[in-house]
Amino acid sequence: GAGVSQSPSNKVTEKGKDVELRCDPISGHTALYWYRQSLGQGLEFLIYFQGNSAPDKSGLPSDRFSAERTGGSVSTLTIQRTQQEDSAVYLCASSTQGASAYGYTFGSGTRLTVV
Amino acid sequence: AQSVSQHNHHVILSEAASLELGCNYSYGGTVNLFWYVQYPGQHLQLLLKYFSGDPLVKGIKGFEAEFIKSKFSFNLRKPSVQWSDTAEYFCAVIHNNAGNMLTFGGGTRLMVKP
Repeated sequence: GAGVSQSPSNKVTEKGKDVELRCDPISGHTALYWYRQSLGQGLEFLIYFQGNSAPDKSGLPSDRFSAERTGGSVSTLTIQRTQQEDSAVYLCASSTQGASAYGYTFGSGTRLTVV
Repeated sequence: AQSVSQHNHHVILSEAASLELGCNYSYGGTVNLFWYVQYPGQHLQLLLKYFSGDPLVKGIKGFEAEFIKSKFSFNLRKPSVQWSDTAEYFCAVIHNNAGNMLTFGGGTRLMVKP
């Protein structure tokens, strides 16, 4: 597609429920990233996929968070047993191999509210 | 660990005032540097980038940034801001040992009063 697509754009869930957030990267982009943007905070790195390599999960805040990328394209970020502190905007970005020169293209994000 | 610092969290300016937003990073090796902007209700957009060559980089909408290696800085500037520049600005760094990993600063929220 023309840009990075994320769905849903907004999600309200009850504490303790599981949620899935979806990211559809730009076609042909080999790298995919998830970041979290909390109110008053910067962008917190969560996880990074590059091609067929094992993902870099070093930013996932707890074992309630997981992500997968199927077929080198669409990615799903899953948060189990959601907590109120999980409320944030979850941003997905994708890039070509040469992201160090060109940066990322970001999606519009999913605003997650845990009540 | 690599870190990026934006010391100004909130900046309020009147239209036509000059802008300078600070950005400092901690890594001493080769770096690529970026400024992203997030207008209200919109997604992050690339404003400008530096990866080699002239350390004074010009971006969209009249913004520029200067890479000063000795100061580990990449400050963002604009000579005369407009109300439409109201947004949040993020500095970000990729260093050569981090692959494609962007590390972001905490952001600076700019409000321009008409």
